[in-house]
Amino acid sequence: DVKVTQSSRYLVKRTGEKVFLECVQDMDHENMFWYRQDPGLGLRLIYFSYDVKMKEKGDIPEGYSVSREKKERFSLILESASTNQTSMYLCASSFDRGRTTNEKLFFGSGTQLSVL
Amino acid sequence: AQSVTQLGSHVSVSEGALVLLRCNYSSSVPPYLFWYVQYPNQGLQLLLKYTSAATLVKGINGFEAEFKKSETSFHLTKPSAHMSDAAEYFCAVTRVSGSARQLTFGSGTQLTVLP
Repeated sequence: DVKVTQSSRYLVKRTGEKVFLECVQDMDHENMFWYRQDPGLGLRLIYFSYDVKMKEKGDIPEGYSVSREKKERFSLILESASTNQTSMYLCASSFDRGRTTNEKLFFGSGTQLSVL
Repeated sequence: AQSVTQLGSHVSVSEGALVLLRCNYSSSVPPYLFWYVQYPNQGLQLLLKYTSAATLVKGINGFEAEFKKSETSFHLTKPSAHMSDAAEYFCAVTRVSGSARQLTFGSGTQLTVLP
């Protein structure tokens, strides 16, 4: 079975802390994504990566950065967490090669981050 | 720009009743359209997708959706709701972002199935 694993289900951090959210996929997928999910807003794309060491900004990259040192792992970094970054974070990957289509996404179960 | 609008953030149906979840799209090019489902405490999974072949698309768990260009709609239906269908449903459309095609998701519709 296809698996996208996010390291934590729940995370509580304080304002100003540096936060790492980790995601690992075991499907040898080229493409990986980070979304945040907020009630009434659906999913919004933060960053994506189509290859190791490659990254592109999504719709809401401000306050976030990412790292992809290995194909299977994609990390989301909050350099200085703020309360407006309290949200559900979803990692996803896709098997479509190259950059042509990324429609069939496989999602992790999410990390609920609370910033106090 | 490509976008989708889901009408109704919450829908309740009785078990055995018809499920109808509405999605309208806006796209300047022929769209690829999708429905994803999110069960409690899980990530999203693909329910079905339309990629310009047949306008009536069948998905998993008895769901189907019909692409209607004249109405710019892609509504999701199921003839008879089951308790296990209770979940949040997201409509999505493909768009170009940076160097790749990405998905734009709607705001979601929470489906409740009443016994």
